[in-house]
Amino acid sequence: ELKVEQNPLFLSMQEGKNYTIYCNYSTTSDRLYWYRQDPGKSLESLFVLLSNGAVKQEGRLMASLDTKARLSTLHITAAVHDLSATYFCAVDVRYNFNKFYFGSGTKLNVKP
Amino acid sequence: GAVVSQHPSWVICKSGTSVKIECRSLDFQATTMFWYRQFPKQSLMLMATSNEGSKATYEQGVEKDKFLINHASLTLSTLTVTSAHPEDSSFYICSASSNQGYQPQHFGDGTRLSIL
Repeated sequence: ELKVEQNPLFLSMQEGKNYTIYCNYSTTSDRLYWYRQDPGKSLESLFVLLSNGAVKQEGRLMASLDTKARLSTLHITAAVHDLSATYFCAVDVRYNFNKFYFGSGTKLNVKP
Repeated sequence: GAVVSQHPSWVICKSGTSVKIECRSLDFQATTMFWYRQFPKQSLMLMATSNEGSKATYEQGVEKDKFLINHASLTLSTLTVTSAHPEDSSFYICSASSNQGYQPQHFGDGTRLSIL
């Protein structure tokens, strides 16, 4: 069974600081997704990483994918309070109707 | 971008009631739809995968007689929670995919179900 592990599970940080969230997965997959979820809301797509070495950036967030290491990172630069949310990574399985396997989520709290 | 509409967004009902949740793909044909359940402060748990015109595939531990899924058209899937009880209270999220070449899943806004 495919496992997706996210670290850390909870992160509290001051505004202006940098930090990285890690997402490890246990099987071969070349597609990885990052989502944001605000309390009581559904998922908002942040990044779709489709190949080894892919790097995408949007504002203060940057995501990368290393398929050989089965590792994706979500780097936060100069955090602001508005980034407070729960972040999920997910890996899909193409041969199984593109089923998603989600990490446990990282709850980020950025203190103003 | 692709839009998935989920309805209702919040429902409160008494124990023993059956509740139907709709998931519609508004601007694309969804050959595959997924239903997830999320408990507070937890990740999304896949309940079932449904392909248009065929029976849903349920994940281990999910009661198919309890959670009835219908995917009768390329734009609509429904999840019916039958004879709901308080332990069925949760946040239910659907997603849809077209399976044409590479297509990501597009998520609905979720349905908060509260059973009294």
